[in-house]
Amino acid sequence: AQRVTQPEKLLSVFKGAPVELKCNYSYSGSPELFWYVQYSRQRLQLLLRHISRESIKGFTADLNKGETSFHLKKPFAQEEDSAMYYCALRGDFNKFYFGSGTKLNVKP
Amino acid sequence: ETGVTQSPTHLIKTRGQQVTLRCSSQSGHNTVSWYQQALGQGPQFIFQYYREEENGRGNFPPRFSGLQFPNYSSELNVNALELDDSALYLCASSLAGGGTGELFFGEGSRLTVL
Repeated sequence: AQRVTQPEKLLSVFKGAPVELKCNYSYSGSPELFWYVQYSRQRLQLLLRHISRESIKGFTADLNKGETSFHLKKPFAQEEDSAMYYCALRGDFNKFYFGSGTKLNVKP
Repeated sequence: ETGVTQSPTHLIKTRGQQVTLRCSSQSGHNTVSWYQQALGQGPQFIFQYYREEENGRGNFPPRFSGLQFPNYSSELNVNALELDDSALYLCASSLAGGGTGELFFGEGSRLTVL
């Protein structure tokens, strides 16, 4: 069965510290993984997708099929990174499976 | 470019009632999907509409139904409301077939069932 797991509900780091938000998935086919972000008082929006292999706002995520993981990383966290982050897997019919989310709090 | 808009933003219903939520898709998008987000959880897929037909459904009972109109706007209808239906309902639009996988979300309709 398709599933996305984000083990941390809350992650607090100091500004300038590295950040890693964990995401694990289960999927029988070839996975398409995404990270979505929701900043305070804004709507949910795409941050990055694994297929693009891009860095957005300093964030990167590598798909590890062996470990079935898609962790989100940033070497130096900024206060404006504070938000709710959701890992998502795209399945058949453009059906997205979202994790339960990790709230990132970057302290000054 | 007009983003995804949803109405109403908040509403309160009692158990057993029926509710209709509305969504206007982003300009140029012909696919609309609906998600239910319970408190502390991630969005959960309800169904998707493309060309006015449902073409994908999650694990929701038949009392959750929808429509898509020729202008690509959409409605979510929930009959016989239950307390557990209390949640934020998100509408998302995308290009046909999902395109690159980017969903454009509305701000949601928060439903409270008493």
